[in-house]
Amino acid sequence: NAGVTQTPKFRILKIGQSMTLQCTQDMNHNYMYWYRQDPGMGLKLIYYSVGAGITDKGEVPNGYNVSRSTTEDFPLRLELAAPSQTSVYFCASSWVKNEKLFFGSGTQLSVL
Amino acid sequence: AQKVTQAQTEISVVEKEDVTLDCVYETRDTTYYLFWYKQPPSGELVFLIRRNSFDEQNEISGRYSWNFQKSTSSFNFTITASQVVDSAVYFCALSDTNAGKSTFGDGTTLTVKP
Repeated sequence: NAGVTQTPKFRILKIGQSMTLQCTQDMNHNYMYWYRQDPGMGLKLIYYSVGAGITDKGEVPNGYNVSRSTTEDFPLRLELAAPSQTSVYFCASSWVKNEKLFFGSGTQLSVL
Repeated sequence: AQKVTQAQTEISVVEKEDVTLDCVYETRDTTYYLFWYKQPPSGELVFLIRRNSFDEQNEISGRYSWNFQKSTSSFNFTITASQVVDSAVYFCALSDTNAGKSTFGDGTTLTVKP
């Protein structure tokens, strides 16, 4: 029972590099979300998707892009990494809106 | 805009003490959902409870209980007879009914000492 799987778990990037954080879920959930968690802070919504082919911006979308070509996958792309993007990134999913979120184990990203 | 405030940044208690974590929210919606999540030291996020705005009944689950008061826009969480394993960061969250996006508070770090 995998649930929500995120890869990689850790990554160090140099300023200006790009990378994709992978997120996949096997629960056939329609709703998927990307959050970032800065030290001592709550989770801030980056992007979300209500179904395959549909994505929208959250609270802090600048510097990120997403796509949702399948129900299962919701990758997050970082272009031109900046130190301000150093954070822990969580992917989450839910069957329908306003239901509990299932979270991945997180990706710890450092941009140096 | 929605907002969730957890005024207590850190709480430290001794095992077996009762502890209450406060959560105050702001929303213009008449229908909304409130959640509590636990983040233990291992880092994963675990769902604890979901409550909709029309259900103001308090809920008890073992040592955990939740008090929802619409009049004061609060959704407080009480742990009775705390244990060391309760040490974690606890997040309160508010979900909007439009796209189901959850807004999280900054969390309360609970430390339970033996």
